[in-house]
Amino acid sequence: DSGVTQTPKHLITATGQRVTLRCSPRSGDLSVYWYQQSLDQGLQFLIQYYNGEERAKGNILERFSAQQFPDLHSELNLSSLELGDSALYFCASSPRDRGPGGYTFGSGTRLTVV
Amino acid sequence: SQKIEQNSEALNIQEGKTATLTCNYTNYSPAYLQWYRQDPGRGPVFLLLIRENEKEKRKERLKVTFDTTLKQSLFHITASQPADSATYLCALGPGANNLFFGTGTRLTVIP
Repeated sequence: DSGVTQTPKHLITATGQRVTLRCSPRSGDLSVYWYQQSLDQGLQFLIQYYNGEERAKGNILERFSAQQFPDLHSELNLSSLELGDSALYFCASSPRDRGPGGYTFGSGTRLTVV
Repeated sequence: SQKIEQNSEALNIQEGKTATLTCNYTNYSPAYLQWYRQDPGRGPVFLLLIRENEKEKRKERLKVTFDTTLKQSLFHITASQPADSATYLCALGPGANNLFFGTGTRLTVIP
């Protein structure tokens, strides 16, 4: 157990629907990062939050949004889902806003859009 | 744009030998480089970090080198074991305040 909790582990939904993925960071970590991993593209950075504030944005689609709450858990909202959104979504956490140091990853949410 | 290449998508090696994985990057000057291990269906696990001013880092059977002139990092696992079989990812930082990952090399250690 890495200390980063992601729910749900699996999600199957239809095109056009909206889902919410949840992440609780490791105790003491203030930064949460969201990554998307598909077979052909590897880990793609989506967005980072630090202590409730958005700090960096990657290749996140406009249909996707995220937030970090006062208790530091984070949610990633995916709407108007398309078949191509099927992927593993990982949340990672770290104690820092920036700088070197490893990330602690959760075990991911596998999203299947049918 | 920055690009990471982990050459050879898959690497098979005999148990007890040294596995060497390569990470090459272009269009970027990272301040540090990290290596992660990922098992199927699981999240990556942090292994080692090496900074731009460090040539080599070791941790137990793992060794990482970082050559900023060649824009290359080598990741070695000595005395490899079947339990070392996994996908290994290299990641560069900072990239807009986050890590930029390669697509990984799948290592299989054959008993």
